[in-house]
Amino acid sequence: QVQLQESGPGLVKPSQTLSLTCTVSGGSISSGGYYWSWIRQHPGKGLEWIGYIYYTGSTYYNPSLKSRVTISLDTSKNQFSLKLSSVTAADTAVYYCARDVTIFGNSFDIWGQGTMVTVSS
Amino acid sequence: DIQLTQSPSFLSASVGDRVTITCRASQDISSYLAWYQQKPGKAPKLLIYAASSLQSGVPSRFSGSGSGTEFTLTISSLQPEDFATYYCQQGTSYPYTFGQGTKLEIK
Repeated sequence: QVQLQESGPGLVKPSQTLSLTCTVSGGSISSGGYYWSWIRQHPGKGLEWIGYIYYTGSTYYNPSLKSRVTISLDTSKNQFSLKLSSVTAADTAVYYCARDVTIFGNSFDIWGQGTMVTVSS
Repeated sequence: DIQLTQSPSFLSASVGDRVTITCRASQDISSYLAWYQQKPGKAPKLLIYAASSLQSGVPSRFSGSGSGTEFTLTISSLQPEDFATYYCQQGTSYPYTFGQGTKLEIK
């Protein structure tokens, strides 16, 4: 079955760029009908959707983060990535990648295990 | 953005109880509502999509209902493994948003 796995640095300095990659296994990232999203969860808090990328390369970002977010795709590696620039302590969170299924009313049926990113000098 | 408000935020119940969690949307979201269960240190798990459709592999004691602006998640008979935090999520318009969560604790 399809599995997602996040990878990337667990510690990022303030003002630098956070970079994470999600590797998709057991299925193709180029399958239509699925959008590939990033979601984060601040410690002890709720969930915040960051944005998605479709296999065509089209993207949509949460307006609250849009000026700092880039999501990209590498179909040859079956991966998608998140870059968040100019990070501050407020970006400390667990970051999840997830699959958004359009026929399921745009719900997230598969999630990575999450990766904790701390912003600190 | 569409705001989702869950009630209650905390719920204390016993094994075998029937519990209901409500999610209210700030505007009509049709049936684009999903429910997730999250346990400490784990990713959320999809329980219900499209307001009332049970995700494959999820026990039938979980059910969802509602449309428009008011939705409910019901657990018919609580099991020990059901004590967790539950979130609703709307998928009708961007940005997708989540409720603040309902923490279900053992009484």
